[in-house]
Amino acid sequence: EVQLVESGGGLVQPGGSLRLSCAASGFRFNNYFMTWVRQAPGKGLEWVANIKPDGNEKYYVESVKGRFTISRDNANNSLYLQMSSLRADDTAVYYCARRQWLAFEYWGRGTLVTVSS
Amino acid sequence: QSALTQPPSASGSPGQSVTISCTGTSSDVGGYNYVSWYQQHPGTAPKLMIYEVNKRPSGVPDRFSGSKSGNTASLTVSGLQAEDEADYYCLSYAGSNNCVFGTGTKVTVL
Repeated sequence: EVQLVESGGGLVQPGGSLRLSCAASGFRFNNYFMTWVRQAPGKGLEWVANIKPDGNEKYYVESVKGRFTISRDNANNSLYLQMSSLRADDTAVYYCARRQWLAFEYWGRGTLVTVSS
Repeated sequence: QSALTQPPSASGSPGQSVTISCTGTSSDVGGYNYVSWYQQHPGTAPKLMIYEVNKRPSGVPDRFSGSKSGNTASLTVSGLQAEDEADYYCLSYAGSNNCVFGTGTKVTVL
């Protein structure tokens, strides 16, 4: 059974940093693109970043470029999102997802990031 | 990259059909056959319902169908059931490993 479990969310001050993790199990992790998607409270979904199976290519939505870094550890079946220079509008539930068919086939339950002083 | 445009709401009675549109541009919806649709119930993670415009993952009822014409994709839910009441989002590939979601549609079963 495919499982994705996010962790690392919490309350952080504006300008601060946070690292999210996603533990994957039930599939061959190093065969798949992985993705972070976020959802601000009461708002819609927003794609944040993708990373290729080997970790060598990464892609970001414009609003997080230069502030967020997606990475992965294929030996430990883990996906990460390092977030810095956080702003109030980064407040959201952050989901990790497995990409298949250029769609997001499996999702975790999400972790809440709140940026507030 | 601007969000794809969906109607804020749609509704239908049990047993009826509802169709949700998702309008983009030739750089996303119109340029690729990689439109997917997601169902999200309150407080839960999204669930993939349709991929590659009109394909259903295993376990998704055939009441859900997708199509595309030009820059607009559509999701149709036939034979509406109470459990279909949810938010629905489209997603399109937009080239260079980027993608964009729609604004979301709240479906109400009357």
